[in-house]
Amino acid sequence: DTEVTQTPKHLVMGMTNKKSLKCEQHMGHRAMYWYKQKAKKPPELMFVYSYEKLSINESVPSRFSPECPNSSLLNLHLHALQPEDSALYLCASSQDLAALGSYEQYFGPGTRLTVT
Amino acid sequence: QKEVEQNSGPLSVPEGAIASLNCTYSDRVSQSFFWYRQYSGKSPELIMSIYSNGDKEDGRFTAQLNKASQYVSLLIRDSQPSDSATYLCAANPEMNRDDKIIFGKGTRLHILP
Repeated sequence: DTEVTQTPKHLVMGMTNKKSLKCEQHMGHRAMYWYKQKAKKPPELMFVYSYEKLSINESVPSRFSPECPNSSLLNLHLHALQPEDSALYLCASSQDLAALGSYEQYFGPGTRLTVT
Repeated sequence: QKEVEQNSGPLSVPEGAIASLNCTYSDRVSQSFFWYRQYSGKSPELIMSIYSNGDKEDGRFTAQLNKASQYVSLLIRDSQPSDSATYLCAANPEMNRDDKIIFGKGTRLHILP
């Protein structure tokens, strides 16, 4: 089973709102990722959590705040977003960072975010 | 800037033929390579990973890696209309940094019925 779930599927928010995106996996994976994808572009890495600790922050603006409450859950808190932040937000997970071949990333279905 | 390059397409292939998708990468230290399929409006789906030079086959899919030429390809045999999608090539850009991969811009594949 390589299922990563994300909620909500769609989100419309105003520029002054605060909202959160949620991601969950029950595969025992120890690394989890947030990506942003604009139309007709490849996914862009935002954050990586490894063993529940933030290991990569790709210079993402502070209006995006990740959180990893436990090894199965990953949140992305959103505050004071801009219309240009509208995109598909993808969560992914991978098994382990230590062994070759164990870091294949599996994506969730994504959250389609529209900022008005 | 480490890059993964793909022809954006669209690549049109008749149903039943072999579709050949190509990818080059700029960083010689890349160790791991992945092919993802992404249907319009959906998330990427991992279809192949390859780590060693040579060919790796999985059903109708064959990935080929040539590290000396910094080249990785994906062959799809007996192409079906359901194979029409964007195919993303990805590589890990740094030695000993397995948690980060970078994506090419993707090749749009269209299988003609």
